[in-house]
Amino acid sequence: DAGVIQSPRHEVTEMGQEVTLRCKLISGHNSLFWYRQTMMRGLELLIYFNNNVPIDDSGMPEDRFSAKMPNASFSTLKIQPSEPRDSAVYFCASSLTGYGNQPQHFGDGTRLSIL
Amino acid sequence: DAKTTQPPSMDCAEGRAANLPCNHSTISGNEYVYWYRQIHSQGPQYIIHGLKNNETNEMASLIITEDRKSSTLILPHATLRDTAVYYCIVRVNNAGNMLTFGGGTRLMVKP
Repeated sequence: DAGVIQSPRHEVTEMGQEVTLRCKLISGHNSLFWYRQTMMRGLELLIYFNNNVPIDDSGMPEDRFSAKMPNASFSTLKIQPSEPRDSAVYFCASSLTGYGNQPQHFGDGTRLSIL
Repeated sequence: DAKTTQPPSMDCAEGRAANLPCNHSTISGNEYVYWYRQIHSQGPQYIIHGLKNNETNEMASLIITEDRKSSTLILPHATLRDTAVYYCIVRVNNAGNMLTFGGGTRLMVKP
């Protein structure tokens, strides 16, 4: 079975540019989590969707970040305008439900570098 | 979620069982024990989870003590590809509950 698929795997862009990260959920999963990982702060939850609806976006750093689920199997995370401090590895993870008794399955991430 | 304590590093000989311990003495009754691993430049990989009973799947076995204050992840026949950082995570059964990764155990499998 295909796992969570993220694209692109690597993105290098200049400060001020718009960046769009993409994530395809595992078929049949209803919950999606976007995380960011840095050496300094570890893994941070940015936003959680359940059944395509954003449930908790308290981890989104600021208005420059936005996330959508246009359908049940796909999500985007957009940064506009991007800044060097946004450089990190961004992961999405999907889960059958959003509850703690179901594992989250991660994609391989997008390594983002903002120059 | 309860805090976990793991040794920072361990070595294991290829082909032998790797036993990775985790202490979670403040775990509460509705918290699950999860194990993930992360190999450099890849996303965290789910291994196994359990509540009270011991669990086994194609990757590993999870042994949880009767008082649930500690657990052990067992990789029965470690290979070089099992070299990774292994994270023990305690997670409450709520909706939208994030995974909180601590320092983990860096397992080095040696030929």
